[in-house]
Order: sequence, then C-alpha cells, then structure tokens
Amino acid sequence: GAVVSQHPSRVICKSGTSVKIECRSLDFQATTMFWYRQFPKQSLMLMATSNEGSKATYEQGVEKDKFLINHASLTLSTLTVTSAHPEDSSFYICSAFKDGNTGELFFGEGSRLTVL
Amino acid sequence: QKEVEQNSGPLSVPEGAIASLNCTYSDRGSQSFFWYRQYSGKSPELIMFIYSNGDKEDGRFTAQLNKASQYVSLLIRDSQPSDSATYLCAGSNNNNDMRFGAGTRLTVKP
Repeated sequence: GAVVSQHPSRVICKSGTSVKIECRSLDFQATTMFWYRQFPKQSLMLMATSNEGSKATYEQGVEKDKFLINHASLTLSTLTVTSAHPEDSSFYICSAFKDGNTGELFFGEGSRLTVL
Repeated sequence: QKEVEQNSGPLSVPEGAIASLNCTYSDRGSQSFFWYRQYSGKSPELIMFIYSNGDKEDGRFTAQLNKASQYVSLLIRDSQPSDSATYLCAGSNNNNDMRFGAGTRLTVKP
C-alpha cells in the first residue's frame, strides 16, 4: 500500500518558537495533502488542504498566518506552527490521496507537538 | 449538526462477540464511506471502504451502507482484544472532501 511519512514523530518546543513538520508521500505523487489536528480523546479536525504549487485552503477558524503550509513538490508538504503556544500542543496528522486511486486516504504516522 | 455522527461509546463487548458500530451522515453528496481504526497515540488505518448500498464483507469485518437512511455501520465478528481501539467513520464526496466522525471507542474484554 501507499506510504505517507511524517517527521518528526515527537517534538517539544518552548513557547514562542516555530516548529516545522514534514509530510512525504514515499511511493506515490500527491497533488493534494491534508493536515489534521487531534486533541486527546477527540476526532480528527481538518485544518487545511495543501495543494501542490498553490496556496493552501484553510478550514474556518484556522489561522493561516499561524499554521503555514507549503506544498512545494508532489511528494512533500510542510506545516509550520509559528510562535507556538501551549494550546497548540496536539497530535498533527497529514494524509494524502494517491492520485488516481479510489479515494482511500493514506495517513502519516502523526507528529505529537508539546509546547512548554 | 455535525456532518458525520457516531456514538462516542465506550462500547464494550466480550471476546468472541459481534461488535456493531454505527454512523450517520448529513451530506447527501457523500459518495464513499470509510471505516478507520485508530489505536491510542497512533494515526488511523483503513479497515474498509464502501460505495454501494448493501453489505461488503472482508474477513471478520462487514460494512453496511444505506444511502436512503444516510446510515453506515461496521460489524466485527468474533471480536478480539486486539480490536480494542477507536473506530472512525468518514464520508467523502466527489471532490474527495473527507469528513470524520468523532469516533467510537471499542473495548473487547477477554
């Protein structure tokens, strides 16, 4: 099956710093990738849709200047949490549809961010 | 109203029993439906997907879809302790816009 890889899997940072999370499709090209956030015991909340070569589409209530998304190639999307605060601590998961497939969403392993 | 709704549970069944997980959706434009399993601290993994009305079986898992009632379910036969996880229902429209339910936590007791 298709593989989506995220890095880092865990990151701890100080309040006010920025953190970058990478999402790579390892064996397929993904023109669209999705970024989700999941708080403990809650479901996945879609943050934004990342489109290769164009601006990301953000869900209502998600600050685009705080969560910077760059999809510079067909296999890589990055999410940068700028000026992170403790309330940004969460599990961030990326996903992608394998272009041309039946709609199955492939998930990365997730990145757990802890902001001190 | 949430687009995809699930009972949060927890649902507890004894080992060997049938676990029944239910999901309703509000977007009639949804065409494809997915069941994902998520273990604590891990990302979701796909169990099954279904597009057509009726039942679809894969091993111990059966997905059921009723588009008229906007209802999707997942049956797990011969439940095992390793099936204990949170099960996420998701619906996707033609634009591949996928929305997830809050998930149902299942516990299978030995």
